[in-house]
Amino acid sequence: DTAVSQTPKYLVTQMGNDKSIKCEQNLGHDTMYWYKQDSKKFLKIMFSYNNKELIINETVPNRFSPKSPDKAHLNLHINSLELGDSAVYFCASSRTSTGEQYFGPGTRLTVT
Amino acid sequence: AQSVTQLGSHVSVSEGALVLLRCNYSSSVPPYLFWYVQYPNQGLQLLLKYTSAATLVKGINGFEAEFKKSETSFHLTKPSAHMSDAAEYFCAVSEGQTGANNLFFGTGTRLTVIP
Repeated sequence: DTAVSQTPKYLVTQMGNDKSIKCEQNLGHDTMYWYKQDSKKFLKIMFSYNNKELIINETVPNRFSPKSPDKAHLNLHINSLELGDSAVYFCASSRTSTGEQYFGPGTRLTVT
Repeated sequence: AQSVTQLGSHVSVSEGALVLLRCNYSSSVPPYLFWYVQYPNQGLQLLLKYTSAATLVKGINGFEAEFKKSETSFHLTKPSAHMSDAAEYFCAVSEGQTGANNLFFGTGTRLTVIP
């Protein structure tokens, strides 16, 4: 009964490739997010989606694109992967008004 | 704009000793404040949150935090450390109901518990 799940857990790929990370939540939440955690453990918001509309888009390269087929899913597509994209990517979800976010287990992306 | 500063990237305490992890925030609107814990190779788990109700907030695993507006602080405490408390702890702030629900995280504090 995982509340927020991500696949895959680990992803190793070469520079220049295109990859996707999937996220699903079964909490009935209205808003979903993607965060990037770098090698120093610093967490930074990348995107958030509310009712299938992008409401926040931080200064993230346009190689990254979130796609939400429905309210329970927010996938992250990354084109032309670069070495600096190596990080742990976390998906999260929340009800719009409470601020309490539930995080997935993370996807460790390694670009070689 | 919102931001969080966590003083001390590493904190070591003896088992049974008081745990104190410091967090100061900056926010242009009344903030919502959170503490999350991250165990090795795992996602973030919410410990507790402040959303403008009681200033002393009790969370899971015996942790609590006190919101002090005058000091712009939200320090995390636990009276007696347990070995299982060893983890990375993150303080975060959001604009809450007055704005977008983005979380802005501090740089984290790694807690080590010495037996």
